[in-house]
Parts: sequence; structure tokens; C-alpha cells
Amino acid sequence: DIQMTQSPSTLSASVGDRVTITCRASQSISSWLAWYQQKPGKAPKLLIYKASSLESGVPSRFSGSGSGTEFTLTISSLQPDDFATYYCQQYDNYPYTFGQGTKLEIK
Amino acid sequence: QVQLQESGPGLVKPSETLSLTCTASGGSISSYYWSWIRQPPGKGLEWIGYIYYSGSTTYNPSLKSRVTISVDTSKNQFSLKLGSVTAADTAVYYCARGAGGSSSNWGQGTLVTVSS
Repeated sequence: DIQMTQSPSTLSASVGDRVTITCRASQSISSWLAWYQQKPGKAPKLLIYKASSLESGVPSRFSGSGSGTEFTLTISSLQPDDFATYYCQQYDNYPYTFGQGTKLEIK
Repeated sequence: QVQLQESGPGLVKPSETLSLTCTASGGSISSYYWSWIRQPPGKGLEWIGYIYYSGSTTYNPSLKSRVTISVDTSKNQFSLKLGSVTAADTAVYYCARGAGGSSSNWGQGTLVTVSS
């Protein structure tokens, strides 16, 4: 299985900050990577697919980049609604696998 | 925009079979990939598998011997069966829709507890 490792596991930031979350794959996955946002008690929400494509309806402050084994999710200016847990997911090889999550907390 | 709703028992006994159904409304199930994903309490996400509307399935090898995903296009539903469950199968189970590997629409999730 492809292992997906996110860093950091927890991130403390303030409204207005620019934040970056990193996801590393244990082998190359080309650009077959998605990012999700999950709030407590809710289903994940797709933010980014194919590493850098913004899902319809997702604010443009979210962006994704990377290819191969290293990927980043950037939020350009944190809003109060952005405090949540973020997951990356690879879909290059079966079984599809997720990172362990990054919890974004209010500083 | 398609909406998905999981349904099924919230409590299953050890060694029995977990059965869930996902009903799609606001869109046809006769296209796309239809997935099951689970999340143990307080933990991360695990992909269980998916079915293409035509009936073709792909499962997570770690669960493959116990999992069956099926689709009923006439009812706009797809289903999950997971056999020989143990406490380790206790989780929130989500159904989801995607064009390929990523999932753009999710159900609200349903907690299934395995306990006697």
C-alpha cells in the first residue's frame, strides 16, 4: 500500500494567516492526489483533486500543488470557517489511502 | 446536486454481517463511481472500495475477503456488506460519489458499533 504522511499533525494559526500543509507519498503517485476538509461530526468535503484542481464551489484561497511524492495544500488567508482537519488521499494505486490528517487549530 | 443517505443497523454483533445501503437522490446512479469509506471513532479515513454503475468493483485488499459492494440502479441505491465483523470494524461508514478516485459527494455518515 502507498503510505501518505502529512505534516504537521497539528497546526496552530490565526485568522488571516497563510498556512501550508504537506503530504508525502511513499512512492510516486503522479498528480493523483485529493485534499479534503473535515469538521467534527461531518463528512469530509472535497477541496482539491488531481493535486491542483479546485473543486467547484471551493473558495479560491485554497490551492494545491505538487506532483510525484510531495504535495502541499495552501490556504492563503485563514478564515474562521477553515479551522478543521485536513486529509490528503492518493488515488494512483489501489487501495486508495489517506494521510493521517492535519488538525488546524485557532492560535 | 446529488444527495446521499446511508441507512442500516447501528449495532451489529461480533461475527455477524454489517449491511448498509446508500440511497442517491437528485441524480442518477447510472454513472460515476460509488464508494464506501469508513472512519473509526477519533481516527482517520479508510477506503473500503467502490463500484462502478455497471457493476464492476474494486476492494481494499485488507477487507476483500469480507466485503461485497453491489448496486441497484432501479432503486438508485448501492450497498455494503461486511462479514465476520469484530470490534475493529466499529466506525462511521460513509458512502460517496466520485468521477474516479476522489469523492466529491458524501453522505452524512452512519455510526456502526460492533458489540454483543
